[in-house]
Amino acid sequence: KQEVTQIPAALSVPEGENLVLNCSFTDSAIYNLQWFRQDPGKGLTSLLLIQSSQREQTSGRLNASLDKSSGRSTLYIAASQPGDSATYLCAVWGRDDKIIFGKGTRLHILP
Amino acid sequence: DTGVSQDPRHKITKRGQNVTFRCDPISEHNRLYWYRQTLGQGPEFLTYFQNEAQLEKSRLLSDRFSAERPKGSFSTLEIQRTEQGDSAMYLCASSLVGANSPLHFGNGTRLTVT
Repeated sequence: KQEVTQIPAALSVPEGENLVLNCSFTDSAIYNLQWFRQDPGKGLTSLLLIQSSQREQTSGRLNASLDKSSGRSTLYIAASQPGDSATYLCAVWGRDDKIIFGKGTRLHILP
Repeated sequence: DTGVSQDPRHKITKRGQNVTFRCDPISEHNRLYWYRQTLGQGPEFLTYFQNEAQLEKSRLLSDRFSAERPKGSFSTLEIQRTEQGDSAMYLCASSLVGANSPLHFGNGTRLTVT
């Protein structure tokens, strides 16, 4: 059974710093991994999707990497801004066609 | 593309009442998913459809829960005889078929059972 873990559960960093969020999964038989952002009381906004054959994807200040063999993904945020404050979730799409989410990392950027 | 829309945004109901939520996916998306999310947790899978066919239901989905997608477009999720433990955010997502198609979520329906 696929399990997805995100550590840390919460993170506070000063504005302008670069930071890395972590996602690990137990079953490497996946189609893809997707990173989302969730603001309080809202739905999830898709940030990046990495296919199983890819190693990274970039969008603006965001870079996501995938190491399928070790069951790990990272989301790198460059030059953090207060508007980046949100909960970041990763989701793994397994070969059994199930999409499993982690519990998320609550990120707070200090002005 | 108007995105995934869910209605209502908030629902407060008394224990024992029935509630129904609606989800309108992105128009060309043939897959539609329902998830439930409680505070501090990631979304938990409930069920999903491909066109009008319900392909899988989670064991979390008790007999009190039913979902439909009658014409392969919008979907409804009904909860009968609500319990306080049903209080959560109910999220709908849609995608194209194919594992390289990203999920797009609506803003959810927040259910409070008193």
